[in-house]
Amino acid sequence: ETGVTQTPRHLVMGMTNKKSLKCEQHLGHNAMYWYKQSAKKPLELMFVYNFKEQTENNSVPSRFSPECPNSSHLFLHLHTLQPEDSALYLCASSQVLDSVNSPLHFGNGTRLTVT
Amino acid sequence: AQKVTQAQTEISVVEKEDVTLDCVYETRDTTYYLFWYKQPPSGELVFLIRRNSFDEQNEISGRYSWNFQKSTSSFNFTITASQVVDSAVYFCALRTQTSYDKVIFGPGTSLSVIP
Repeated sequence: ETGVTQTPRHLVMGMTNKKSLKCEQHLGHNAMYWYKQSAKKPLELMFVYNFKEQTENNSVPSRFSPECPNSSHLFLHLHTLQPEDSALYLCASSQVLDSVNSPLHFGNGTRLTVT
Repeated sequence: AQKVTQAQTEISVVEKEDVTLDCVYETRDTTYYLFWYKQPPSGELVFLIRRNSFDEQNEISGRYSWNFQKSTSSFNFTITASQVVDSAVYFCALRTQTSYDKVIFGPGTSLSVIP
């Protein structure tokens, strides 16, 4: 098992669809993150969960809804998205204890295209 | 404010040349870590190296070396004897003690190694 697994790898959805992105980590970490990577833009932090509790919501529109049922799983529920939401969505995990030096471990990402 | 700047947008080198990627950061925290990540075309960001704010000793790890200078707030990364497989986007990142939930990434430098 790779450390952080994201599914699906690619997703095409219409603006009226509802879909979910899934992330699973097998590293025993207790913090999980969603990042958005758009073309020609820096990585944008969207959400942070520490010990299943959301600690950061970086002014993300409500059409993105995260869910963290346990420390190993993270979801991003999508509904009524806009074409500008097309991007690579990256999930990451890390340790919270001894946190400052803990690097993020990323999944391969989900390439989302909104039509 | 915390910020990471990578002034080089794109770099091209010929295989076996050495290449240095620049990173300049801003933070008022005295305790922080700096990281370098590599993102190959597959999409996954891979952690490469880290350095804490109290250790300015420069190190070499295989073909990678880094030069951390607090006086200039720089954390430069050098690849020696570059290879085609080094072609990727490289991100510098900052994580601080007071905002450990937020890992701040630079905009990235796209490195192309030409055979």
